[in-house]
Amino acid sequence: EAGVAQSPRYKIIEKRQSVAFWCNPISGHATLYWYQQILGQGPKLLIQFQNNGVVDDSQLPKDRFSAERLKGVDSTLKIQPAKLEDSAVYLCASTLLALPQETQYFGPGTRLLVL
Amino acid sequence: GENVEQHPSTLSVQEGDSAVIKCTYSDSASNYFPWYKQELGKGPQLIIDIRSNVGEKKDQRIAVTLNKTAKHFSLHITETQPEDSAVYFCAASFAMYSGGGADGLTFGKGTHLIIQP
Repeated sequence: EAGVAQSPRYKIIEKRQSVAFWCNPISGHATLYWYQQILGQGPKLLIQFQNNGVVDDSQLPKDRFSAERLKGVDSTLKIQPAKLEDSAVYLCASTLLALPQETQYFGPGTRLLVL
Repeated sequence: GENVEQHPSTLSVQEGDSAVIKCTYSDSASNYFPWYKQELGKGPQLIIDIRSNVGEKKDQRIAVTLNKTAKHFSLHITETQPEDSAVYFCAASFAMYSGGGADGLTFGKGTHLIIQP
């Protein structure tokens, strides 16, 4: 079974530029999460989708971050404009069913460096 | 919101010895506590989890204990091997059993486990 795919794996941009990350969850997985992992810290939830609807975006900095999940499959996370403190690894995770406490399967992440 | 504290930040043990990582959480409503292992350049991978109606769970060399009264849970790895070297994260979440709700994880800051040969 293929895992969660993310691209690009690495991205370097200058502050105030825009950037987008893409996630393809495991086939058939209903729920998708985006996490931000700053160096030396644990992942922090940004947004949770169930199918193509948002379940929780309370920790998403909506003035600069946006995310969508069209047709309940792939998802994109965008930052516009980027700040230095956005340098982090952006992880996508998915679960098979829309049930509580399902195992979250993580992708390899996209490492973003903002200069 | 939930806050998860994890200790120690670095743990070095001799191969074959046991390793223990401890976490505390703040929200008494949390009812799910997974542990993840993260290797360099990879995403976290679930190694074991425990739910609030259980006090202990074991899977071969790995065990997790939960004390809901103290809001404390621990990971125990016995007979450590070189491939156990990684960063380990504890996490907590609250999820309604009816499903379909927000159940994103709150993670600790991680423990870098080093297995000395």
